[in-house]
Amino acid sequence: AQSVTQPDIHITVSEGASLELRCNYSYGATPYLFWYVQSPGQGLQLLLKYFSGDTLVQGIKGFEAEFKRSQSSFNLRKPSVHWSDAAEYFCAVGFLVNDYKLSFGAGTTVTVRA
Amino acid sequence: DAGVTQSPTHLIKTRGQQVTLRCSPKSGHDTVSWYQQALGQGPQFIFQYYEEEERQRGNFPDRFSGHQFPNYSSELNVNALLLGDSALYLCASSFNGGGAYEQFFGPGTRLTVL
Repeated sequence: AQSVTQPDIHITVSEGASLELRCNYSYGATPYLFWYVQSPGQGLQLLLKYFSGDTLVQGIKGFEAEFKRSQSSFNLRKPSVHWSDAAEYFCAVGFLVNDYKLSFGAGTTVTVRA
Repeated sequence: DAGVTQSPTHLIKTRGQQVTLRCSPKSGHDTVSWYQQALGQGPQFIFQYYEEEERQRGNFPDRFSGHQFPNYSSELNVNALLLGDSALYLCASSFNGGGAYEQFFGPGTRLTVL
């Protein structure tokens, strides 16, 4: 079945430490890939996206993600976490041709401790 | 430049009632998608409107319907509300001719069904 999996429901990280959030997808073709962040009570903000080309993409707020076709993964990373990074993070996939929706993973909640 | 706006922010209804949620897309965008986000889950695609027509629909019953107006704004209607319809409803806008597939989300409408 087609799916987007975020294996970690909740991650706690110390301020200043590195962060990596995992995302795996299961689709017949390589989809377009996105990471969104949602702060409490807010909508979704796009952090970064991958369509093609360089498999390491840079986003806003110091985030980056690496696409690995062999592993069907698109993991999100940040070298040094700030307290304001506490939020919920969603991986999403989309296809441009004949399928206009985004399909989301269940999300990973990030808690930042001082 | 105003982003995606949604109204109302919060709404409380009782079972069996009907509700209408509204969305104004980001300036320059002509496509509107609606998503339902239940508590603790990722957003689920309801449908997408383009050129005032429903272009694609997710796995939601006919109780969920929508409309897009000539100014590209959109409404989501839900009839015969069930307790399970309680969720955050997110509107996302995009530009169909942009080539890049990117949806911008509004802050959402929190619907509570009692």
